[in-house]
Amino acid sequence: DAKTTQPPSMDCAEGRAANLPCNHSTISGNEYVYWYRQIHSQGPQYIIHGLKNNETNEMASLIITEDRKSSTLILPHATLRDTAVYYCIVRAMNRDDKIIFGKGTRLHILP
Amino acid sequence: NAGVMQNPRHLVRRRGQEARLRCSPMKGHSHVYWYRQLPEEGLKFMVYLQKENIIDESGMPKERFSAEFPKEGPSILRIQQVVRGDSAAYFCASSPSSGDPYNEQFFGPGTRLTVL
Repeated sequence: DAKTTQPPSMDCAEGRAANLPCNHSTISGNEYVYWYRQIHSQGPQYIIHGLKNNETNEMASLIITEDRKSSTLILPHATLRDTAVYYCIVRAMNRDDKIIFGKGTRLHILP
Repeated sequence: NAGVMQNPRHLVRRRGQEARLRCSPMKGHSHVYWYRQLPEEGLKFMVYLQKENIIDESGMPKERFSAEFPKEGPSILRIQQVVRGDSAAYFCASSPSSGDPYNEQFFGPGTRLTVL
């Protein structure tokens, strides 16, 4: 079973920041938080990952709470192309094993 | 650097036929994963392979399904005697060899199998 809890759906206005929450209260010390998204009919796409510090790349920012029990993915200026299902995943570092996907959050970007 | 390639992108089979799905990992990647996504459901892990070895097949149905990743050529997911319940999108992912601490998996575009 997935070790994360996400809201099933969210709406965000185009051009605004989309903030997607994720709870992972049972995360272990050696586990990273990963985010993937799946645009309709496409394969999942890696977005970002982090351990305990906030991370930023060209796609998004990841804010992890100090106790690491929750995190927020931020899309700073959402566009219609960001409409997708977003998956928050907890995975151990230095492990090659499978990804366990939960149900994710279906993000609708509204024009 | 080409991404993960899967073919065919769409496959139609009649009940009882065989389906062969192919996956070519990214250059330099030696780990391949197969996932299945039933209509309106999430992605479920099926099998994890390294060259010539099955590492984890805990998500594979016990019958009719098999996978291989030969020394040369693509990884193959084979479904024998397909049934309507096999209709789904099948995604392949690849990752670099062991030693990469971040374990990022790169996904292909998927093969959509329809069983008539």
